[in-house]
Amino acid sequence: EAGVTQFPSHSVIEKGQTVTLRCDPISGHDNLYWYRRVMGKEIKFLLHFVKESKQDESGMPNNRFLAERTGGTYSTLKVQPAELEDSGVYFCASSQAGTGGRDYTFGSGTRLTVV
Amino acid sequence: AQSVTQLDSQVPVFEEAPVELRCNYSSSVSVYLFWYVQYPNQGLQLLLKYLSGSTLVKGINGFEAEFNKSQTSFHLRKPSVHISDTAEYFCAVLSGTYKYIFGTGTRLKVLA
Repeated sequence: EAGVTQFPSHSVIEKGQTVTLRCDPISGHDNLYWYRRVMGKEIKFLLHFVKESKQDESGMPNNRFLAERTGGTYSTLKVQPAELEDSGVYFCASSQAGTGGRDYTFGSGTRLTVV
Repeated sequence: AQSVTQLDSQVPVFEEAPVELRCNYSSSVSVYLFWYVQYPNQGLQLLLKYLSGSTLVKGINGFEAEFNKSQTSFHLRKPSVHISDTAEYFCAVLSGTYKYIFGTGTRLKVLA
């Protein structure tokens, strides 16, 4: 079984540009989550999808961030326009319906550097 | 609100020595607790989790943790570390049914 796949693994962009991160969850996992770790700080929840619906987006920092999950499969997280403080590692995770947070699988993350 | 405190940001230890990474949580409800590890240039990997039952939880790679409700702690231990255990370790508590609250992480550096 393939795990949670994220790409790109690294991205370096200039301030003001747009970047799109992608996450492919484990096949059949209805729940998909995005987290972010800004350097030196804790890993923080961004949002949660159940299939294609946003269940909780309380952690999204501002309206420069847009997450989608069309068709309930892969998800994208777009940052537009990127700012310096957006630099960090973005993690995606997925879990089966009914297991919630008790049984996450995380991806390897995308390291975003905004210069 | 729930929170997680990892008291040590960095822990250096010599190879084959024991190690304890500390984690304290605050929660007014039943807790589910987790330890994750991130090896250099890799993603988050689950080491172990406490959902219920025995307070001593055994995980992968020889790690174990003990849930202590009175102390609100979930410290991670290994009796003898290897160079390959060098990584960053994260303690987390499940908030509600699906959201994790993480600590700030502890960097374990195993010295030869």
